[in-house]
Amino acid sequence: GAVVSQHPSWVICKSGTSVKIECRSLDFQATTMFWYRQFPKQSLMLMATSNEGSKATYEQGVEKDKFLINHASLTLSTLTVTSAHPEDSSFYICSASRDGLSYNEQFFGPGTRLTVL
Amino acid sequence: AQSVTQLDSHVSVSEGTPVLLRCNYSSSYSPSLFWYVQHPNKGLQLLLKYTSAATLVKGINGFEAEFKKSETSFHLTKPSAHMSDAAEYFCVVSDRTGGFKAIFGAGTRLFVKA
Repeated sequence: GAVVSQHPSWVICKSGTSVKIECRSLDFQATTMFWYRQFPKQSLMLMATSNEGSKATYEQGVEKDKFLINHASLTLSTLTVTSAHPEDSSFYICSASRDGLSYNEQFFGPGTRLTVL
Repeated sequence: AQSVTQLDSHVSVSEGTPVLLRCNYSSSYSPSLFWYVQHPNKGLQLLLKYTSAATLVKGINGFEAEFKKSETSFHLTKPSAHMSDAAEYFCVVSDRTGGFKAIFGAGTRLFVKA
């Protein structure tokens, strides 16, 4: 149990276009999901916390108008990179926090590699 | 505020020798601690987790870690390295502050020599 999927696994787009990445918890409910970004040979950096039915909470320095997050259900959160530019090329990873646990364990998706030309 | 420090950016061992990857954490509350492994161009795989039960935690692939509150450490060990262990390893801390955010260490790259 506790499987998280992401779609697509990789995407190439032209500069100026928007890209949507989906994150789904397949076999559990997740009130809270998280979005991370990872540059080559670097660690994961938290971008935002996504809560079902409410606005996402963004980390300092993350442009909320550029990285739109929607958490419309207990199993789905989406990240839309608007007007993407080459510097947005990165590995985006989501995670979901399983409701009902006495401790916090996040279950990570396999990641989406975005390349902006 | 919670934080995690991985003390070595790179560790190199010979195949068959022990592995030690060091991690120190800072947390105001009882933390949950995790070790993840990431192979090149792959996602994260959970190796093991500490969630306030036994302080010596056994994980997959022969890895284990010991939670030492007095030293605020959670070092990862393995008795005998295998070539397939070569990867990036992340220590992660999470607690109630900030809504259970997972804070990642900078990572340790493990090299295994034949």
